[in-house]
Amino acid sequence: KQEVTQIPAALSVPEGENLVLNCSFTDSAIYNLQWFRQDPGKGLTSLLLIQSSQREQTSGRLNASLDKSSGRSTLYIAASQPGDSATYLCAVVRETSYDKVIFGPGTSLSVIP
Amino acid sequence: EAGVAQSPRYKIIEKRQSVAFWCNPISGHATLYWYQQILGQGPKLLIQFQNNGVVDDSQLPKDRFSAERLKGVDSTLKIQPAKLEDSAVYLCASRGGGPNTGELFFGEGSRLTVL
Repeated sequence: KQEVTQIPAALSVPEGENLVLNCSFTDSAIYNLQWFRQDPGKGLTSLLLIQSSQREQTSGRLNASLDKSSGRSTLYIAASQPGDSATYLCAVVRETSYDKVIFGPGTSLSVIP
Repeated sequence: EAGVAQSPRYKIIEKRQSVAFWCNPISGHATLYWYQQILGQGPKLLIQFQNNGVVDDSQLPKDRFSAERLKGVDSTLKIQPAKLEDSAVYLCASRGGGPNTGELFFGEGSRLTVL
């Protein structure tokens, strides 16, 4: 059974700091991994999608890496800003007969001005 | 490209009443998901459609929840009768492409409060 965990559950950093969010999954048989951002009262916004054959993806100040063999992904945020404050979730797509998506519980990030 | 549309955004009902949520996925996306998200938790899959067929409803409380996807496009999620513990945000998502390529897109969600 695939389980997805995220550490830490909450994180508070001063503005300008670089930070890393972690996502772990127990079954390496995945098609891809996706990082999302969720603002309070809103739906999930896709940040980065990493295919199983890829090692990393970059978008602006965000960089996500994937290590399938160890069951880990990291989301690196450079030069954090108060507008980055949100909950960040990772989700994996399992290698099944249909594309089942499993979510982690999320990391709540606060960037202090 | 239009995103995933959901309605209503907010709904307040009393326990034992019924409620229905509607979702219109991104055009051409074959896979549609309904998730339940309770405050402070990650989304929990309720039901997954591939075109208009159900491929996973293992966590759907079938005694009170039902869902359908007509003609493989729009979908409706219904709760009847509602319980207090059903208070949550109901998220609809859709994916196109193959399982190892498709990106998942979400709507804004429908927030349900059961009193």
